[in-house]
Amino acid sequence: SQQGEEDPQALSIQEGENATMNCSYKTSINNLQWYRQNSGRGLVHLILIRSNEREKHSGRLRVTLDTSKKSSSLLITASRAADTASYFCATDAGTDKLIFGTGTRLQVFP
Amino acid sequence: AAGVIQSPRHLIKEKRETATLKCYPIPRHDTVYWYQQGPGQDPQFLISFYEKMQSDKGSIPDRFSAQQFSDYHSELNMSSLELGDSALYFCASRPAGLGSYNEQFFGPGTRLTVL
Repeated sequence: SQQGEEDPQALSIQEGENATMNCSYKTSINNLQWYRQNSGRGLVHLILIRSNEREKHSGRLRVTLDTSKKSSSLLITASRAADTASYFCATDAGTDKLIFGTGTRLQVFP
Repeated sequence: AAGVIQSPRHLIKEKRETATLKCYPIPRHDTVYWYQQGPGQDPQFLISFYEKMQSDKGSIPDRFSAQQFSDYHSELNMSSLELGDSALYFCASRPAGLGSYNEQFFGPGTRLTVL
């Protein structure tokens, strides 16, 4: 990826468990966003965290941002089978375009 | 709520043919972005337009061109198609005046298959 890596590349959990995905990036950013993609389909915007924010919540989602380490994490609590998808972080390093991470494939088993 | 519309949703072409992908942004969105996502890859930025002018350019082959029209819709033209052009092509739009909150709204994508 142009910007960074996501970790893990794949994650399998049971319904009800929490899922944590990590994203690292290389350059200074204005904000970092997380997107979800069901297999071969469109990208759905989940949450945006600004560079001056450290943590943000949205429903079952919790995002943290550590600009000193150039990393972010996405936590999905009480996961459901419907959360099965690929999750990408994306940054805009001072420009308009989004630079995506490599993605984490999450599989939630009922 | 209205979303980004892309057409066609699926397209099959032969090598060396041309293809035109269309994108209709959300109303009152003035910035359009094109991304390419190869199989198992992350989306890669191709090109963007703001107020009908090209605003940024990424790893877009010279065989590709794009433009944004007066009604803000955009078209991605691809010529001399190669097998490696097979991918999902996403269009995204962003509302005017969003400042640093660069939340982009993505369309469902066009799946291009080159045979």
